[in-house]
Amino acid sequence: GQQLNQSPQSMFIQEGEDVSMNCTSSSIFNTWLWYKQEPGEGPVLLIALYKAGELTSNGRLTAQFGITRKDSFLNISASIPSDVGIYFCAGQRYGGSQGNLIFGKGTKLSVKP
Amino acid sequence: DAGVIQSPRHEVTEMGQEVTLRCKPISGHNSLFWYRQTMMRGLELLIYFNNNVPIDDSGMPEDRFSAKMPNASFSTLKIQPSEPRDSAVYFCASKGGDEQFFGPGTRLTVL
Repeated sequence: GQQLNQSPQSMFIQEGEDVSMNCTSSSIFNTWLWYKQEPGEGPVLLIALYKAGELTSNGRLTAQFGITRKDSFLNISASIPSDVGIYFCAGQRYGGSQGNLIFGKGTKLSVKP
Repeated sequence: DAGVIQSPRHEVTEMGQEVTLRCKPISGHNSLFWYRQTMMRGLELLIYFNNNVPIDDSGMPEDRFSAKMPNASFSTLKIQPSEPRDSAVYFCASKGGDEQFFGPGTRLTVL
């Protein structure tokens, strides 16, 4: 089945540092989504990407849809303590089980004040 | 906007008991998803409905699991009988366009 490889698994950084994480797949996706999950809550959508090569920002977050459609990255600039959480990438294909997402295993981010 | 609503938020039960988890999707969304999240396996899709019809239930682990969507505003996930290995956080998500929105989850503990 399809799998997403998300890296790194965890990051421990100092407040103010930039963060970069990425996802790769052996399959092509038509949509890439990035979610953040805080303890005791469900994943919250941060950024959605729909076209190969697309670069989208949401405040200090920037994400790109890879040209090959098999990868995506998420950057967080000037991290702050409230960025702490688990970040998930998710890819979506159409056809077969239309509309379901394949999730990466997540990147756990810790920010030291 | 109420978002996706799940109940209960926490459930503790004994092995062998029936468990029913409930979900109210965002109004107007026509797709609904049930996920299970564990430390070992991360987020797993259990079943997915489109316009109240189950589309893909290949992620449902066993016959002990069943899900229904009697109308566009309500879905249930039932486990009968429950086992300790079913302990996990169960999420419901709904989708109207290309973006899925998750509920807060139900943390299930089976003793």
